[in-house]
Amino acid sequence: QKEVEQDPGPLSVPEGAIVSLNCTYSNSAFQYFMWYRQYSRKGPELLMYTYSSGNKEDGRFTAQVDKSSKYISLFIRDSQPSDSATYLCATPGANNLFFGTGTRLTVIP
Amino acid sequence: DSGVTQTPKHLITATGQRVTLRCSPRSGDLSVYWYQQSLDQGLQFLIQYYNGEERAKGNILERFSAQQFPDLHSELNLSSLELGDSALYFCASSPSPTGDRNTIYFGEGSWLTVV
Repeated sequence: QKEVEQDPGPLSVPEGAIVSLNCTYSNSAFQYFMWYRQYSRKGPELLMYTYSSGNKEDGRFTAQVDKSSKYISLFIRDSQPSDSATYLCATPGANNLFFGTGTRLTVIP
Repeated sequence: DSGVTQTPKHLITATGQRVTLRCSPRSGDLSVYWYQQSLDQGLQFLIQYYNGEERAKGNILERFSAQQFPDLHSELNLSSLELGDSALYFCASSPSPTGDRNTIYFGEGSWLTVV
């Protein structure tokens, strides 16, 4: 079983929609969770990180962790065409980050 | 701009050949990570160096090797290349030896095509 599993999508939504991106993780000991955004053929960039359970909000983005179900989510409000990218969830291991496979999002104007 | 510099950005080479990818970490970062990203595999961790020493190995093939030099730049050597080695190779850096929280920064990647 992989450390982090993610629905690869792709996901297409109209501009202004609320987007929900989701991952599950296998090890209940994981405490930190990150979301990276990757534009086509570019390096992943850190979008948000959260610790333990609960929500963290940053502008139009909200990261949520549910430790009871080992479920992590990223919500994007008022989605924009510039949000079109691949979103990767990640959690740190002892020496590196374990990544999900990424969900490709397209926001249609 | 993450501050992590990778060269070359693109290269095309033939099967059986050998290439070297270069990475300069962010100023002050001692850890360098190499990741491979192909269409069907996502981001795969290859290897990590910290202050010149190998710290962790992931799914790195025996045909691949890496090193980190005293000036902290790193090179990833890929030899006896096969078509399946075509991928984006990312370097990332962080100040700490562990895959810690929000402190890993990625370069723009080197796009390798093996023909």
